[in-house]
Amino acid sequence: DADVTQTPRNRITKTGKRIMLECSQTKGHDRMYWYRQDPGLGLRLIYYSFDVKDINKGEISDGYSVSRQAQAKFSLSLESAIPNQTALYFCATSDRKGLAGDPNEQFFGPGTRLTVL
Amino acid sequence: RKEVEQDPGPFNVPEGATVAFNCTYSNSASQSFFWYRQDCRKEPKLLMSVYSSGNEDGRFTAQLNRASQYISLLIRDSKLSDSATYLCVVNYNDMRFGAGTRLTVKP
Repeated sequence: DADVTQTPRNRITKTGKRIMLECSQTKGHDRMYWYRQDPGLGLRLIYYSFDVKDINKGEISDGYSVSRQAQAKFSLSLESAIPNQTALYFCATSDRKGLAGDPNEQFFGPGTRLTVL
Repeated sequence: RKEVEQDPGPFNVPEGATVAFNCTYSNSASQSFFWYRQDCRKEPKLLMSVYSSGNEDGRFTAQLNRASQYISLLIRDSKLSDSATYLCVVNYNDMRFGAGTRLTVKP
């Protein structure tokens, strides 16, 4: 089974709709991240969380919100989707303690391809 | 100016070739550096960390030049399976990803 899972894997929606993307991990990591990837721009950080009670804005947080419901779950919401939010969204985790390697190494989920019409 | 810049490629090389990728970063206070590999339509995965003294992992060699704010990745004896996009990643308070360099290794 995958250590970091994302649901849904693909979603097509219309402008103005509320969308939630979910991320779950079984790695026991404390840190979780949401990124979006656009052609030619690379991955850009939307939000990140170092703990259940910790939420931080990333480079491009406008139009998004997040919820860290438990150590293993981190969800991303688009309150009112717009076409320029069409992108590939990745969730990632890392282990602050770095017991299994570099503490900065991030482990990514398989991605959610979101299309906003 | 982007915080992390890479030549987007594509680099098309024959099997067995040596290929080098370069990356520059703008934040001189950056603390750690990485190369990630991303296969088409897949998630990025860590290829190797980059240390100040330079480091090697099999056919892959990474170099860091803090004075010039420059990172490189050298792949020797390219294999078909090396075909992917290589992402340069720089960490300060959070990870900043380059847009990636696409490599295609041909028979």
